[in-house]
Amino acid sequence: AQSVAQPEDQVNVAEGNPLTVKCTYSVSGNPYLFWYVQYPNRGLQFLLKYITGDNLVKGSYGFEAEFNKSQTSFHLKKPSALVSDSALYFCAVSYPGAGSYQLTFGKGTKLSVIP
Amino acid sequence: EAGVAQSPRYKIIEKRQSVAFWCNPISGHATLYWYQQILGQGPKLLIQFQNNGVVDDSQLPKDRFSAERLKGVDSTLKIQPAKLEDSAVYLCASSFPGYNEQFFGPGTRLTVL
Repeated sequence: AQSVAQPEDQVNVAEGNPLTVKCTYSVSGNPYLFWYVQYPNRGLQFLLKYITGDNLVKGSYGFEAEFNKSQTSFHLKKPSALVSDSALYFCAVSYPGAGSYQLTFGKGTKLSVIP
Repeated sequence: EAGVAQSPRYKIIEKRQSVAFWCNPISGHATLYWYQQILGQGPKLLIQFQNNGVVDDSQLPKDRFSAERLKGVDSTLKIQPAKLEDSAVYLCASSFPGYNEQFFGPGTRLTVL
């Protein structure tokens, strides 16, 4: 069975500093990996995904993520955090071998960017 | 392009009552998902439709939850009777068939008292 772990419930970072939100996964085969962001009282918004190819994936709002197969990780990064980045971030994995592209989500990490 | 629509946005009911949620996916999206997001947890898939057929409902508590997508477009998720532990946000998502990116609606926040 596939699973996703987000080891940090909360990440605090000062505005302008780089941020990292961690994600590790467990799935057989070659996974599809995703990051979604959720603002209060809003649905999930897609940030970026890794399917294949370059291990560094660039997404919306200046975010990027690095796929590391040996460490089974897919950490979300941004070089310079903004206060408006404060939100709940979810990592998700899909196993295309199942044929249905179902997403399994981590429990989420609350990012707080301090002015 | 219009996004995934859900209604109502908020619902408060007492335990043992019934409730229904509605979802209208993005036009052309044949695949539709319902997720349950309990506070402090990530979304958990309840059911997946392809057009009007069920692809996977293995995590749907079928003794109280039901879902349908009769014409392959709109979908309704029902809970009857509701329990306290059903308090959660219910998210609907849609995608093109065989496409790996899902688009989410704003969700319905259910509170069961």
